[in-house]
Amino acid sequence: EPEVTQTPSHQVTQMGQEVILRCVPISNHLYFYWYRQILGQKVEFLVSFYNNEISEKSEIFDDQFSVERPDGSNFTLKIRSTKLEDSAMYFCASSVGGGKNIQYFGAGTRLSVL
Amino acid sequence: GQNIDQPTEMTATEGAIVQINCTYQTSGFNGLFWYQQHAGEAPTFLSYNVLDGLEEKGRFSSFLSRSKGYSYLLLKELQMKDSASYLCAVRDLTGANNLFFGTGTRLTVIP
Repeated sequence: EPEVTQTPSHQVTQMGQEVILRCVPISNHLYFYWYRQILGQKVEFLVSFYNNEISEKSEIFDDQFSVERPDGSNFTLKIRSTKLEDSAMYFCASSVGGGKNIQYFGAGTRLSVL
Repeated sequence: GQNIDQPTEMTATEGAIVQINCTYQTSGFNGLFWYQQHAGEAPTFLSYNVLDGLEEKGRFSSFLSRSKGYSYLLLKELQMKDSASYLCAVRDLTGANNLFFGTGTRLTVIP
């Protein structure tokens, strides 16, 4: 069964450093998303991406964040200068579109900012 | 804005039936989803409702009442592996298909 793949599974970084989280969405999907989940809290929407541009972004997704689809398979989330409060699990999701437009999630990248 | 409420924790016995409720208030409504999330893992899609009524899929059923802003997930014949968090998520009309999640209900199944 096709699945969303995320790498790395765990990323440790120093405050102020840049990190890039990588995702390979399901191949025939057209919509891509990033969510985050701080430990013990709810899953929060960050950004959605369609047709090579951002469709919508939340208040969390400030100028420190960016997304890119550098080729036909990868979808990346970059955090330019990490802060302690960026420590969270980051989930990538993708969907094919249409009525149900069910989103399928990757296993996540746990980001630890020290 | 969006406001989605679920009980924080529930406990049920193996073999029993449990109902997890979700109430929501959104600026628009374009579907309600239930996901299962085991600790440290990705949310996994369980069910989708956009019209009022009951959707059944094996041991899992989900109900929606749009007029009441209410949904529930019903799990029958509980198994130990059903111990997980169950996330209610709403898709609203203003979003580009993005989901707004509740805090999740942590279900513990006991022998």
